[in-house]
Amino acid sequence: AQKVTQAQTEISVVEKEDVTLDCVYETRDTTYYLFWYKQPPSGELVFLIRRNSFDEQNEISGRYSWNFQKSTSSFNFTITASQVVDSAVYFCALSVSNAGNNRKLIWGLGTSLAVNP
Amino acid sequence: EAGVAQSPRYKIIEKRQSVAFWCNPISGHATLYWYQQILGQGPKLLIQFQNNGVVDDSQLPKDRFSAERLKGVDSTLKIQPAKLEDSAVYLCASSLLRGRGYGYTFGSGTRLTVV
Repeated sequence: AQKVTQAQTEISVVEKEDVTLDCVYETRDTTYYLFWYKQPPSGELVFLIRRNSFDEQNEISGRYSWNFQKSTSSFNFTITASQVVDSAVYFCALSVSNAGNNRKLIWGLGTSLAVNP
Repeated sequence: EAGVAQSPRYKIIEKRQSVAFWCNPISGHATLYWYQQILGQGPKLLIQFQNNGVVDDSQLPKDRFSAERLKGVDSTLKIQPAKLEDSAVYLCASSLLRGRGYGYTFGSGTRLTVV
């Protein structure tokens, strides 16, 4: 099976708290890519990060950090010192092989994050 | 660079009517995707084009949905006739190299309400 599981449906935190969004994936591909997208109330999907299956180096970008662990098939996302503007739905997605040497995205159901003042 | 353009932004129609959505991808992006996102769910791929050819339309309800990408640039997604369960956001995305991890850029989407 090829799927993405985001077990947390909704998370509510108070501003300045740290929060981690979990993502677990399954794939039969040896080469794949993982993504995180943010979807604010406006509806647009905003790209946050891409990680390929050969690069397990963790990444930090400002208040955002990502922990990729192939051993546990997880790609978790942490927001440090959360802010109200971080309130959104966050999607984890997996790019796998598709017909004709193409690729397709498989999406998790999303985690709705509410950061309260 | 300009992003993925979609129109209209919102559309309300009655069931059994027809509707069309338009998408203009990022210049040079050969791969174009249409997704349906029902409230509370992740996007579901409806159709994927590589240039003007269809790569994957396995989840497109072909009895009522159709899509085309003439000349390998703009694309149109049509629903005819619409059903209540088609109420969703329709997202268009494009990517540079067949989606090989180079990232997908999404448009703002068209929010369809079928009443």
